[in-house]
Amino acid sequence: NAGVMQNPRHLVRRRGQEARLRCSPMKGHSHVYWYRQLPEEGLKFMVYLQKENIIDESGMPKERFSAEFPKEGPSILRIQQVVRGDSAAYFCASAERRNEKLFFGSGTQLSVL
Amino acid sequence: RKEVEQDPGPFNVPEGATVAFNCTYSNSASQSFFWYRQDCRKEPKLLMSVYSSGNEDGRFTAQLNRASQYISLLIRDSKLSDSATYLCVVNSLNDYKLSFGAGTTVTVRA
Repeated sequence: NAGVMQNPRHLVRRRGQEARLRCSPMKGHSHVYWYRQLPEEGLKFMVYLQKENIIDESGMPKERFSAEFPKEGPSILRIQQVVRGDSAAYFCASAERRNEKLFFGSGTQLSVL
Repeated sequence: RKEVEQDPGPFNVPEGATVAFNCTYSNSASQSFFWYRQDCRKEPKLLMSVYSSGNEDGRFTAQLNRASQYISLLIRDSKLSDSATYLCVVNSLNDYKLSFGAGTTVTVRA
């Protein structure tokens, strides 16, 4: 049973470009969470999705950031017009049910030049 | 007040020592509690769930104190491999997301 798969592991973008981060949850998991971690800081919640629905996006910046979890395929975190401050590690986690323990992917390290 | 607060440490202990630290949470409606471990720049990994009655997993013991709203983690007979950042995670029924503390850094030295 494969774990949570994230790709790419490393993503380099120039300011103004778009970044697309992908996350495939564990088999049987329909709940996906995205977290961001800046260097030397803790994990910050961004968004919680459950198949095709955004349940809680209270941690997501209002502009440039969006997330989806389509019926088929991975969850996508999309950052438009990236800025240097977007450089961070982005972790995806999945759970079988709400409020259950999370299993994390290896993360995507986004670097904005 | 932050939802979840942890002493950042670092806790520097010799091999074989016992180290313990707490995590406080602000929402009295919190229901689920976990300890995660994160090694430098890697993904967090579940260490253990924390049950009301407390639980033990090998050298690790977790306790929950609802009255004072904190959970604790105790590591006995520390190993070099225990060096990591330990994240406290709390979830509330009236919330959809798990809240993470900023982590407590433990360094075990030879």
